[in-house]
Parts: sequence; structure tokens; C-alpha cells
Amino acid sequence: ETGVTQTPRHLVMGMTNKKSLKCEQHLGHNAMYWYKQSAKKPLELMFVYSLEERVENNSVPSRFSPECPNSSHLFLHLHTLQPEDSALYLCASSQDIRTNTGELFFGEGSRLTVL
Amino acid sequence: TQLLEQSPQFLSIQEGENLTVYCNSSSVFSSLQWYRQEPGEGPVLLVTVVTGGEVKKLKRLTFQFGDARKDSSLHITAAQPGDTGLYLCAGVFRASNYQLIWGAGTKLIIKP
Repeated sequence: ETGVTQTPRHLVMGMTNKKSLKCEQHLGHNAMYWYKQSAKKPLELMFVYSLEERVENNSVPSRFSPECPNSSHLFLHLHTLQPEDSALYLCASSQDIRTNTGELFFGEGSRLTVL
Repeated sequence: TQLLEQSPQFLSIQEGENLTVYCNSSSVFSSLQWYRQEPGEGPVLLVTVVTGGEVKKLKRLTFQFGDARKDSSLHITAAQPGDTGLYLCAGVFRASNYQLIWGAGTKLIIKP
């Protein structure tokens, strides 16, 4: 139990569907992140939120839309995805946005399959 | 763009053997972290190293940070099946706006 909870754990969707991934952290952290993890590739940082404000968007396609309604919750809205978007999506939190020496706490991930 | 190279990509050994995995870069790290990710879980932090030449031990795991802060190694003594997982290194470079840059990981399997 890392204090970061992701739902759903598994999601299968068609290319025309709209779905959302949810992340909740119970650690009182100020920064939250979405990462994409594909086999044999480095973790790809998608979005960073600090105190509910988006501070980083690493050229992510607009079919991925993040939402951070408060410092404890983070969503990733998905629409018209492509098969190459199939991956493990990891949510993480940290005390603050500077991860120079700070620890990232990850959720268990949402395994997404796009048909 | 800073890149982290991890080697080997995959390692499968018998219980009780020793092993070393590596994390290398052509750039100087401000700090470096090692995470372990077990199947079906997210990565969990093992250690953070900051000072060149630093050595940290976590039970049977020994982490070393290179003197020039461009490389790091993880040595496991007498590996056990519970050590199985994906070992990820992640470094911070000043030019990366203090965000973590990740390696692709070493997948380690310890056979009983």
C-alpha cells in the first residue's frame, strides 16, 4: 500500500470509446503525475500537476486529457485512442514538484488495451 | 537530451548467485534513484544517491554512485526469488528542469 490508488486496474476499450482513469493519493502531497509505461521503454512523463495547476505537458496527443480537481485526485480522460496507446498508465505523487531528491509514490497502474 | 542506459536489459539467474546491474549516462546527475517494480505493481523507491562515490546498503543490495556522478550500479548478494522484478534507475539533471529521466530498466528473474 503506497497511499496512491488507481482505478480501474484493467481497461479494454475500442478506438471510438471514451473512458477515464482515476488516481487518488492519501499522502497529503502537492504534486501528481501521469506516466506511460510501455515494454522495454523508459517511463514517459505525460503530465505534471502542482497544487492543482498543470505545470508540464510533454507533447502528449490531445486524445489524452488530464484533470486535477483538487490536490488529492487526478484523472486522465481518454477518447479516440489508437492501438499504440495500449500501455500501463501509472499515477504518482510527490511532496512537491521538485523531485531532485524526493521520492515518487506510484499507484499500481491501469493496464489499458485499445482494440 | 539526457539518456540513461541500463544494462543488462534482462537477467535470469539461480537463487544464491550474485549479480550487478548498471545505469550509465554521458551527463552528470544531480542525484539518482533506484526503484524496483514487481509484476502488477508500481515502482517503489529503493534508494537515492547524491554524492559522487557514495555507497549505500539495503540488506543484500549495495548501491554505488560513480565518482563523476555519471554512473551507478546495484549489486545483489545471494539473490533470492523475492528479488525478482524490474529495476529502474532515474536521474535528475539540472538541464531537465529537475524532473526525473528514466532508464528502460533491467528485468531480473531469480529462479528457485
